[in-house]
Amino acid sequence: DVKVTQSSRYLVKRTGEKVFLECVQDMDHENMFWYRQDPGLGLRLIYFSYDVKMKEKGDIPEGYSVSREKKERFSLILESASTNQTSMYLCASRISTVVNQPQHFGDGTRLSIL
Amino acid sequence: DQQVKQNSPSLSVQEGRISILNCDYTNSMFDYFLWYKKYPAEGPTFLISISSIKDKNEDGRFTVFLNKSAKHLSLHIVPSQPGDSAVYFCAASDLLNRDDKIIFGKGTRLHILP
Repeated sequence: DVKVTQSSRYLVKRTGEKVFLECVQDMDHENMFWYRQDPGLGLRLIYFSYDVKMKEKGDIPEGYSVSREKKERFSLILESASTNQTSMYLCASRISTVVNQPQHFGDGTRLSIL
Repeated sequence: DQQVKQNSPSLSVQEGRISILNCDYTNSMFDYFLWYKKYPAEGPTFLISISSIKDKNEDGRFTVFLNKSAKHLSLHIVPSQPGDSAVYFCAASDLLNRDDKIIFGKGTRLHILP
């Protein structure tokens, strides 16, 4: 079974702080994704990565950056946290873009910015 | 502009009956469609998928139907069970597009009534 692990289930930070959300997958997947889920808005893609050192903007990248130095790890960075970034953050991985395969999600990090 | 639409925010179904969740899409290039199930405080879990070369895919109690001409897919759950109460996300992707983003709908909350 694919295991996608997000480092924190719950996180509380203050406005202006730099926040790191970490995600690790154990199946040597090429693709990794960060989403946020908000009531009534569904899952919105923030950033994704095809492979190590590669990153692509999703639909709502503003205020975020990412890092993929190793294949198994994909970090989401909130450069200067703001209250509108309070949300559930979901990491996902997928084997590659070559074949039709689903994404596998972690359990999420519920982030509160005070 | 939403490319994947789930027009029913919620649905209530009696236990034992059939649950039908609907999804419409606008991009005719989508060739792979997925359904995910999400419980509160957990990440989405993959349920079932269908390629555009098929019009039906079945897995146990779950069947997905695809009508390409109508750009419509549906998920049937028969018989519905209490554990099926969750939020269901429809998703679609265009494998030939190098971006290969999986686009999610906003979700439908399914309540199974005793």
